[in-house]
Amino acid sequence: AQSVTQLGSHVSVSEGALVLLRCNYSSSVPPYLFWYVQYPNQGLQLLLKYTTGATLVKGINGFEAEFKKSETSFHLTKPSAHMSDAAEYFCAVSESGGATNKLIFGTGTLLAVQP
Amino acid sequence: KAGVTQTPRYLIKTRGQQVTLSCSPISGHRSVSWYQQTPGQGLQFLFEYFSETQRNKGNFPGRFSGRQFSNSRSEMNVSTLELGDSALYLCASSLSGFGNTIYFGEGSWLTVV
Repeated sequence: AQSVTQLGSHVSVSEGALVLLRCNYSSSVPPYLFWYVQYPNQGLQLLLKYTTGATLVKGINGFEAEFKKSETSFHLTKPSAHMSDAAEYFCAVSESGGATNKLIFGTGTLLAVQP
Repeated sequence: KAGVTQTPRYLIKTRGQQVTLSCSPISGHRSVSWYQQTPGQGLQFLFEYFSETQRNKGNFPGRFSGRQFSNSRSEMNVSTLELGDSALYLCASSLSGFGNTIYFGEGSWLTVV
């Protein structure tokens, strides 16, 4: 069975500092991996995804993530935090080669950005 | 291009009642999924429909049901509402195939009193 673990339910950084949100996954087959962001009272917006190919994936708003199979990780980073990055971030996994688009989500990381 | 549209956005129901939530996917998307989001359980998969057929179902009681119409629009229904059904219900759509981007709507906030 697939699962996702997000380390740190709350992360606080200063504006301009590096953002690092951790995600580890478990999957018996090659995974598809996603990062979504949720602003208050809104739905989920895709930041980036990994399916196949290049393991370093660039997304919107300056975010990127690296798929590391040996570490079963897909950590999200941004070099310099902005106040507008304050939101909740969800890592998700789905099965490649499966018969469904079902996403398994982590528990989320709430990012606070201090001025 | 319009995004995933969910109606209603907010609703309050009484225990024991039933509710129907509607979702219009992005034009051309044939896969529609539903998720429940609560503070305690997080984001949980309810079901997925593709070409009017339920392709996958999450671990929810039979009170939760859904359907998809020929135009890919989808509805989900919750019968005999319980207080614990209070949640944000999110609809998502994607193109056929796998690994495609899954787009989410703004959600329907359901409060059961």
